[in-house]
Amino acid sequence: GQQLNQSPQSMFIQEGEDVSMNCTSSSIFNTWLWYKQDPGEGPVLLIALYKAGELTSNGRLTAQFGITRKDSFLNISASIPSDVGIYFCAGHPGGANAGKSTFGDGTTLTVKP
Amino acid sequence: DARVTQTPRHKVTEMGQEVTMRCQPILGHNTVFWYRQTMMQGLELLAYFRNRAPLDDSGMPKDRFSAEMPDATLATLKIQPSEPRDSAVYFCASGQGSPEAFFGQGTRLTVV
Repeated sequence: GQQLNQSPQSMFIQEGEDVSMNCTSSSIFNTWLWYKQDPGEGPVLLIALYKAGELTSNGRLTAQFGITRKDSFLNISASIPSDVGIYFCAGHPGGANAGKSTFGDGTTLTVKP
Repeated sequence: DARVTQTPRHKVTEMGQEVTMRCQPILGHNTVFWYRQTMMQGLELLAYFRNRAPLDDSGMPKDRFSAEMPDATLATLKIQPSEPRDSAVYFCASGQGSPEAFFGQGTRLTVV
């Protein structure tokens, strides 16, 4: 089946630093999504990308849909303590499997004040 | 503030007991997903429904798990009999047929 490789697995950064994480796949996806999960909560959708090459921002977050449709990147600028959490990428194939997103294993972000 | 509601938030049960988890999707959403999250396996899709009809439950152990949508406002996930390896956080998510999913807070299940 489809698999996503999300990296890095974890990051420890200083408040104010920028963060980059990415997701790669051996398969093509028609949609890429990025979620954030806080402790004890469910994942919350941050950004959805629907077009290859698309670059979308949500506040300090910027995500890109790779031109090959096999990867996506998430950047966080000027990190703050509340950015702490687990960030998941998800790829959605569309077509007959329209309901099935495949999730990466997550990037755990720790921000030191 | 529309959100997916899951009950119970926590459940501790003995091995062999039946467990039922409930989910109220966001009003107007026509797609419901059940996910299981563990440290080892991450987020796994167990089953999903569209317009209350099951579309895919290939991720679900059929011998002990069952998922239903008795009506548009209620989805249930049942485990019978439960086993210690079922201990996990179970998430329900709903959507409007697009790839975007809105997750509930989860049910943390512990089977002892």
